[in-house]
Amino acid sequence: QKEVEQNSGPLSVPEGAIASLNCTYSDRGSQSFFWYRQYSGKSPELIMSIYSNGDKEDGRFTAQLNKASQYVSLLIRDSQPSDSATYLCAVNAPNFGNEKLTFGTGTRLTIIP
Amino acid sequence: GAVVSQHPSRVICKSGTSVKIECRSLDFQATTMFWYRQFPKQSLMLMATSNEGSKATYEQGVEKDKFLINHASLTLSTLTVTSAHPEDSSFYICSATGGGGAGETQYFGPGTRLLVL
Repeated sequence: QKEVEQNSGPLSVPEGAIASLNCTYSDRGSQSFFWYRQYSGKSPELIMSIYSNGDKEDGRFTAQLNKASQYVSLLIRDSQPSDSATYLCAVNAPNFGNEKLTFGTGTRLTIIP
Repeated sequence: GAVVSQHPSRVICKSGTSVKIECRSLDFQATTMFWYRQFPKQSLMLMATSNEGSKATYEQGVEKDKFLINHASLTLSTLTVTSAHPEDSSFYICSATGGGGAGETQYFGPGTRLLVL
């Protein structure tokens, strides 16, 4: 079982709709969770971080964490063509050094105008 | 947010030469820096963790004698690819944290694209 799993996509969403990106992780000791956006040919940029169960909202983005189910998601409301990118889920790896992150393979999101 | 720079952004070199990549934290002190490599259409692969003033910790399968890492100050880490070969061609990305402990946010540099001919 992969440590951090994401659906690779591609996920196609009409402009203005809600895009839902999902991620599961295997290490129950994980405490910190991050969503990064990566445009083609560029490095990742931080979208959201979440540490507690529940929802965390920042503008059009909402991160949801459920530690019991080992599940973290990212919702993008009012999707825009500029949201088209690969979204990486990252989880801290407490068993391998607290500051290290384990990345999923990413979900490629395409917003259709 | 914190700013991390990398230099150069792109480098082309001949097989057998060495290439040095610099990673700098511009507005914070980076106690820990990470070096990643990303091949086309693949995810980030951690190569090594670099702590200021100490030896880097390499991930399994990464040759420490080929990928030399130096983290001599709180704002600068360097990765030297020694005797580069075409299979080393990749996108090299660094990230940095302020050493705040578990789960601290990693801020990424813009990456260096290496092409070895």
